[in-house]
Amino acid sequence: DSGVTQTPKHLITATGQRVTLRCSPRSGDLSVYWYQQSLDQGLQFLIQYYNGEERAKGNILERFSAQQFPDLHSELNLSSLELGDSALYFCASSVGGQMNTEAFFGQGTRLTVV
Amino acid sequence: KNQVEQSPQSLIILEGKNCTLQCNYTVSPFSNLRWYKQDTGRGPVSLTIMTFSENTKSNGRYTATLDADTKQSSLHITASQLSDSASYICVVSGNRGSTLGRLYFGRGTQLTVWP
Repeated sequence: DSGVTQTPKHLITATGQRVTLRCSPRSGDLSVYWYQQSLDQGLQFLIQYYNGEERAKGNILERFSAQQFPDLHSELNLSSLELGDSALYFCASSVGGQMNTEAFFGQGTRLTVV
Repeated sequence: KNQVEQSPQSLIILEGKNCTLQCNYTVSPFSNLRWYKQDTGRGPVSLTIMTFSENTKSNGRYTATLDADTKQSSLHITASQLSDSASYICVVSGNRGSTLGRLYFGRGTQLTVWP
């Protein structure tokens, strides 16, 4: 168990809908990272938050947004969902905000868009 | 273009045998390189992390090497076990400029260990 908690584990929704994925980082970790993993793309970095502020941005679509709350948990909002958004979404956390600190991954949320 | 390429894409070995997975990268400037193990449907778990000044790092039966000059890394697994069956992902992090704060992922090598 990495200490990073993601909910829900599975999510099935229809195209055009909006969903929210939640991540609780390890105790003491200030950084939260979101990743998307689909079969044909491998792991794709979406966005990083450090202590409530956006730190780095990757290949995140405009339909997607994220935030980190004062208690350091984070939410990833996916809207106007398309079939191609079906993927595993992982959250990771680390103590520091730099990419050379160790990051621990949650078990992921499997999103299926039908 | 900053990329991470892994080879082979998939590998099947017999239990007890050794194997070596390769990772070539073009990320520059480079901060560190990590190897992760990902079981099917589960989150990646870190095996090793190396900065540009480190040549080798071990974690039990896993040994990673890094040649920052040629931008190559390898992950050597000795005395493989059935539980080693997983995807092994090479991840490179950038250091500054356009790569600062970014992680670049390889697509992974799918290792299957047969009894």
